[in-house]
Amino acid sequence: EAQVTQNPRYLITVTGKKLTVTCSQNMNHEYMSWYRQDPGLGLRQIYYSMNVEVTDKGDVPEGYKVSRKEKRNFPLILESPSPNQTSLYFCASRQGVRAFFGQGTRLTVV
Amino acid sequence: QKEVEQNSGPLSVPEGAIASLNCTYSDRVSQSFFWYRQYSGKSPELIMSIYSNGDKEDGRFTAQLNKASQYVSLLIRDSQPSDSATYLCAVSSTDKLIFGTGTRLQVFP
Repeated sequence: EAQVTQNPRYLITVTGKKLTVTCSQNMNHEYMSWYRQDPGLGLRQIYYSMNVEVTDKGDVPEGYKVSRKEKRNFPLILESPSPNQTSLYFCASRQGVRAFFGQGTRLTVV
Repeated sequence: QKEVEQNSGPLSVPEGAIASLNCTYSDRVSQSFFWYRQYSGKSPELIMSIYSNGDKEDGRFTAQLNKASQYVSLLIRDSQPSDSATYLCAVSSTDKLIFGTGTRLQVFP
């Protein structure tokens, strides 16, 4: 089954404790991206990657890092999480302009 | 001005009615237009795509595009309570896919 898989689905952490949200796709898509979704602000792109070893900033990259060492995986790294990074996060991969989303990760930073 | 604008709603319609959802965009070079449905706490799911002016129908859904007016809409015929969700308009130009904030639709029995 074609899918984008994120883990974990839910995470509560404390300020400053590094964390990684994993994302994996099995569709051989070159383009992958991370979004955060907040009430009233919609989906905002954090980072994207057009291919292996190629990453670029989206609209809200501050406080986040990504890596793309292989085509199927695109982890999101928060080196020092802060409460304003509490949000619902989605990973997506794209075939052309059509995006496929993971199940989402609800992150709470206290 | 936001790049993709939608009325946040909620839009409330009775079961069986036509729900009309609207979206405007600012980038004239946009080429591809999408409607995603998102249930609360779930991931967005693509329901319609449209690339040229006019109407595109798929079951109970019709997408309408007017590039001159920079306007795209989604009609849902015979609305069902299961259609209650947030509908996201997305617009693509070059490599970017930009989402509106979504319109919440409520279909009441």
